[in-house]
Amino acid sequence: ETGVTQTPRHLVMGMTNKKSLKCEQHLGHNAMYWYKQSAKKPLELMFVYNFKEQTENNSVPSRFSPECPNSSHLFLHLHTLQPEDSALYLCASSQDEITEAFFGQGTRLTVV
Amino acid sequence: SQQGEEDPQALSIQEGENATMNCSYKTSINNLQWYRQNSGRGLVHLILIRSNEREKHSGRLRVTLDTSKKSSSLLITASRAADTASYFCATDLGGSQGNLIFGKGTKLSVKP
Repeated sequence: ETGVTQTPRHLVMGMTNKKSLKCEQHLGHNAMYWYKQSAKKPLELMFVYNFKEQTENNSVPSRFSPECPNSSHLFLHLHTLQPEDSALYLCASSQDEITEAFFGQGTRLTVV
Repeated sequence: SQQGEEDPQALSIQEGENATMNCSYKTSINNLQWYRQNSGRGLVHLILIRSNEREKHSGRLRVTLDTSKKSSSLLITASRAADTASYFCATDLGGSQGNLIFGKGTKLSVKP
């Protein structure tokens, strides 16, 4: 276990649904990240939060909406997704200045 | 092409043999990290090598970094079937956000 927990592990949703992915870490880290991993593509950074403030939005469509209520929790709210959004969504955390990242197990999302 | 590219894309060896994976990148880096990912699961951090380091060891892992050639290699000695996974290099360009850029990975298969 890396200390980063993601729920749910698997999610199937329709294109008109609204769902949320949750990430939790109790490592005392100040930075949290959402990554998207699609088949045969490099891991893509989506959002970065540092001390609860969003510091990076890597040109992600607005149908993905992150939320960081405190330094231990990170959410990714999903609405009106497309089938091409099906992927493994990984959450990670790290100390502010030290970039070694600890990853969760991921949420396997399927959009039907 | 992206910042980090692993070579080869796939590698199949027998248990007990050594496995070498290479990573090339394009821009100056703060550090380079190697991660392992078992099928469909989160990434596990293996080792971090800073730009002023040339070689680092951790158990059966040996990482080298050649900043003049902008390349790194990961050597796994005396491989085991449990080493079967995808291996990714990630480059950190510096800054406090921990923005890692991942390659597509090398899929390693170790046959018993």
